[in-house]
Amino acid sequence: DVKVTQSSRYLVKRTGEKVFLECVQDMDHENMFWYRQDPGLGLRLIYFSYDVKMKEKGDIPEGYSVSREKKERFSLILESASTNQTSMYLCASSSLSGGLNTQYFGPGTRLTVL
Amino acid sequence: EDQVTQSPEALRLQEGESSSLNCSYTVSGLRGLFWYRQDPGKGPEFLFTLYSAGEEKEKERLKATLTKKESFLHITAPKPEDSATYLCAVRGSGGSNYKLTFGKGTLLTVNP
Repeated sequence: DVKVTQSSRYLVKRTGEKVFLECVQDMDHENMFWYRQDPGLGLRLIYFSYDVKMKEKGDIPEGYSVSREKKERFSLILESASTNQTSMYLCASSSLSGGLNTQYFGPGTRLTVL
Repeated sequence: EDQVTQSPEALRLQEGESSSLNCSYTVSGLRGLFWYRQDPGKGPEFLFTLYSAGEEKEKERLKATLTKKESFLHITAPKPEDSATYLCAVRGSGGSNYKLTFGKGTLLTVNP
């Protein structure tokens, strides 16, 4: 079974803090993704990575950065957290093999910025 | 730009009352349509991938079907444990090869 884990289920931070969200997958997947999910807006792609050290902006990259130093690990960084970044953050991974690139999700991190 | 619209937004069923959820999409060159189930406070759980019109996939009480414009998730004799939000997503051939476009989901509630 594919397993995607995220470092925290719940996180509370102060405005202006630097926040790190970590994601690890154990299936040797090439692709990894960060989404945020908000009521009424659905899932929105923040960044994705298709290889180590490679990244591409998604639909809403402003205020975020990412790091992928190892194949299994993909980090999302909020350089200076703001209250409008309060959200559910979801990590996903997928494989290039098989052709269909099904994305498998982690359990999510509920981030609250005060 | 790929678009996905799911209907209804919310559906309430009695246990055993079969129904269908709809996912309408516009995409340039469909490379896959995906169904996920999401429980409150958790990440989406993969259910099915459909690739071509006419294709069907089944899993327990769920059956997903695909046409050139929409997909249906049929739920037969649902149970309370089927209550969840069901998400539909598509991957098209335009733009990024990796990106999925998600609908906003259908919240299904099955009452005992």
